[in-house]
Amino acid sequence: DADVTQTPRNRITKTGKRIMLECSQTKGHDRMYWYRQDPGLGLRLIYYSFDVKDINKGEISDGYSVSRQAQAKFSLSLESAIPNQTALYFCATSDSGTGRDEQYFGPGTRLTVT
Amino acid sequence: DAKTTQPPSMDCAEGRAANLPCNHSTISGNEYVYWYRQIHSQGPQYIIHGLKNNETNEMASLIITEDRKSSTLILPHATLRDTAVYYCIVRPFDKAAGNKLTFGGGTRVLVKP
Repeated sequence: DADVTQTPRNRITKTGKRIMLECSQTKGHDRMYWYRQDPGLGLRLIYYSFDVKDINKGEISDGYSVSRQAQAKFSLSLESAIPNQTALYFCATSDSGTGRDEQYFGPGTRLTVT
Repeated sequence: DAKTTQPPSMDCAEGRAANLPCNHSTISGNEYVYWYRQIHSQGPQYIIHGLKNNETNEMASLIITEDRKSSTLILPHATLRDTAVYYCIVRPFDKAAGNKLTFGGGTRVLVKP
């Protein structure tokens, strides 16, 4: 969905490096999410944010941190990357005011930690 | 959230209806059934959701059994572009708790010409 963009789309980094993945949305949604997906598996929630001042840990937050710089921007940081953080990372948004309560996903960032 | 069970894979002929089952025998009264799909390494896409009544939209139909312990997603006329992994997710519709999705393994659907 072009309304949710992620940068970079692909990144190769070395163990121990700090890396930031960025997500921007033009949908005007208040809620944003970060997921990771490992090969052959479903998505797992890392962090989620209900609004700029409300950030919550998901099921696998260890080793990650996030920043909600504005309603439209939500970034994910790996303070010291390790190889088992190699995965496909997705950002998503949702609107708490709708009845459908669906999430819109970005195109993903493929991260490789060597 | 209630757990779901889906077959790991299924094939479907192009132009025919695809019926995707999902078991959620531990579903509770306030939990909805959601369906998403993921086309090869793209971000998941919302398809449909329901509570207890059958639902239909431009993409699919959702049939939920009367006891709500299982459901079926129906793609009425499958096309090659419907080849994807389909996820059945059960979660409460609770705005205060947030829209957290728990993805299982899903069903890998291959639509064949």
